[in-house]
Amino acid sequence: NAGVTQTPKFQVLKTGQSMTLQCAQDMNHEYMSWYRQDPGMGLRLIHYSVGAGITDQGEVPNGYNVSRSTTEDFPLRLLSAAPSQTSVYFCASSHITDVNYGYTFGSGTRLTVV
Amino acid sequence: GNSVTQMEGPVTLSEEAFLTINCTYTATGYPSLFWYVQYPGEGLQLLLKATKADDKGSNKGFEATYRKETTSFHLEKGSVQVSDSAVYFCALSGNANDYKLSFGAGTTVTVRA
Repeated sequence: NAGVTQTPKFQVLKTGQSMTLQCAQDMNHEYMSWYRQDPGMGLRLIHYSVGAGITDQGEVPNGYNVSRSTTEDFPLRLLSAAPSQTSVYFCASSHITDVNYGYTFGSGTRLTVV
Repeated sequence: GNSVTQMEGPVTLSEEAFLTINCTYTATGYPSLFWYVQYPGEGLQLLLKATKADDKGSNKGFEATYRKETTSFHLEKGSVQVSDSAVYFCALSGNANDYKLSFGAGTTVTVRA
C-alpha cells in the first residue's frame, strides 16, 4: 500500500549510542519532515526537506541530523543518544503544491534511551 | 511565529454526548487550519481542514469553522461513539510556500459505552 513507512517501530538505545530512524514514501512527495511527540507538548518539528538535496532545521534540531539524497527517503540520525531523546518519532510527507490537503504520516518509531 | 493552543484534556464522555474541543491560534497572514486524529498505536490522520475564513470543514460527523475574528477553529461532534476515542490535534500551516505545520498539544478523548 502506498504511504509512509517508518522503521523500526520500537528501539531501545543506551546513552551515547547512535542510530538511524528510517523513513520512506512512495507517493513522490517533495516535502518530508520529522516530528517528535512528547506528552503535553504535541508534535514538534525536528527537520524538514522540500526536495532531494535540500534540508532545513525545525523547532528542535539539536542532536539530530538528516539528509535527503533521494525523493523517497529521509533518514533521521541520532548522533549520540540522550535520555531527553526518549520520544515517539513521526515522519510525514506531502506534495508541495498540496500542503493544504494535509500530510501523510508514518505509524511512528517509539524510542527509549536508557 | 505561528502557534496553536488547544484545550487540555483528558476529556471523558458517554456515548451520544456532545463533544467540543477548543482551538485558538496565532499566525500572521492567512493560515490553513487542520484537525488531525491519532488512534491508539497509530500515526496521525487528517480529519478535516479549512483553508480560508468562514470555511467549515467536516468529516465523520465532526465539524470545525475557521473563525478569523476570534482566531479559532473549534472541533465539534454532536453524538460521539466509543470508536471516536483518540487524541485530537489542532494544527495550522502558514502562508504559501510555508510547508511546515504547527501543532497544538493534543487532547485525549475517551468515550465510554
